[in-house]
Amino acid sequence: AQSVTQLDSHVSVSEGTPVLLRCNYSSSYSPSLFWYVQHPNKGLQLLLKYTSAATLVKGINGFEAEFKKSETSFHLTKPSAHMSDAAEYFCVVSGGGGYQKVTFGTGTKLQVIP
Amino acid sequence: DVKVTQSSRYLVKRTGEKVFLECVQDMDHENMFWYRQDPGLGLRLIYFSYDVKMKEKGDIPEGYSVSREKKERFSLILESASTNQTSMYLCASSLLTSGRDNEQFFGPGTRLTVL
Repeated sequence: AQSVTQLDSHVSVSEGTPVLLRCNYSSSYSPSLFWYVQHPNKGLQLLLKYTSAATLVKGINGFEAEFKKSETSFHLTKPSAHMSDAAEYFCVVSGGGGYQKVTFGTGTKLQVIP
Repeated sequence: DVKVTQSSRYLVKRTGEKVFLECVQDMDHENMFWYRQDPGLGLRLIYFSYDVKMKEKGDIPEGYSVSREKKERFSLILESASTNQTSMYLCASSLLTSGRDNEQFFGPGTRLTVL
């Protein structure tokens, strides 16, 4: 069994300040973890992924995430928010087995205040 | 770049109508998926397919069926649309079934309203 919990449904930051979007997961296998971003009226786009290589993963648009097995977390961060970062973000866990079931979190809406 | 296209961005149907949502991918991916997205619930998997003519139920298959006659095309069918099927529908594809690098590529979504 696997699950993913996004701890905040909404996050609001000022432009130029750091962003932290929190994600905790559980998985019976060594998971793959992903962050996707969805801008209004658009499909989902992959930001970054962890697949058991380096625990600190760098993605597009200055985002990064750190896999912490002891804390079962995969939080998404960015040093300085930009207006264009306003979107909904989804944390995703994919487990092992013949078909790797993919489970999405419920999403975090990021608001960036000018 | 992988491209996943969906036949309609917006669709309005009446209760009881049969509805077809089409999805096409151009990267020869083995796997295709249909999700619905509702506020506060994230994405929920309706059906997926790992090969032509093969399909597996996801978490919420009730009221839906699918068809995959060709590798690049995956259709979602609402046999008799109901108002609780008003939602955003997202199609995705991925190259791998097993292994760790099974990134999914998404289409732009179809916003379906059932009146």
